[in-house]
Amino acid sequence: DTEVTQTPKHLVMGMTNKKSLKCEQHMGHRAMYWYKQKAKKPPELMFVYSYEKLSINESVPSRFSPECPNSSLLNLHLHALQPEDSALYLCASSQGTWVRGNEKLFFGSGTQLSVL
Amino acid sequence: GEDVEQSLFLSVREGDSSVINCTYTDSSSTYLYWYKQEPGAGLQLLTYIFSNMDMKQDQRLTVLLNKKDKHLSLRIADTQTGDSAIYFCAESIEPSGGSYIPTFGRGTSLIVHP
Repeated sequence: DTEVTQTPKHLVMGMTNKKSLKCEQHMGHRAMYWYKQKAKKPPELMFVYSYEKLSINESVPSRFSPECPNSSLLNLHLHALQPEDSALYLCASSQGTWVRGNEKLFFGSGTQLSVL
Repeated sequence: GEDVEQSLFLSVREGDSSVINCTYTDSSSTYLYWYKQEPGAGLQLLTYIFSNMDMKQDQRLTVLLNKKDKHLSLRIADTQTGDSAIYFCAESIEPSGGSYIPTFGRGTSLIVHP
């Protein structure tokens, strides 16, 4: 199984809503990532979990709250988002061994989020 | 700096070869990658090259690396309509934290027409 599964595929939410994005992988990877991608732009790194611990937070606003309940699951909790947060949110995973820089990322298909 | 630059668009005829170019600025890069993103999908790793190599071939894909000029290219032979996608170049650099997180270029939209 070389898949990273993200749910939901599409999400529309109001600025006062609370929602969660979910990501799952069963490749035994120990690093998991959240990226944000706006249309026609490259993915921007948000968070990295390494061995279930948050290792990188790229100065993301607190209205985005990541959670890694176990080595296979990664969540992104959303609260009080702004319209400019509308984007494709991508989850990725990698082995997490950080050996000589060869971290091959496996991406999910993403959640297309619209904030109204 | 670790900027990765790519041209934004490339249009080719089906059956021709496509060459997508990328320049990077960090001379300490260890691995360089090519990812493909089809509409509405995540990124898929196509191929990668270690920075001490000049060339890597994988079926229809050929990666060329000019480390002196910090130039990376991806050649797709016999381009098909299914190759239409956005292609991202990425480099892997060791930051102070010791984590090799790839940095992505802006992506090149490849359009293949019959």
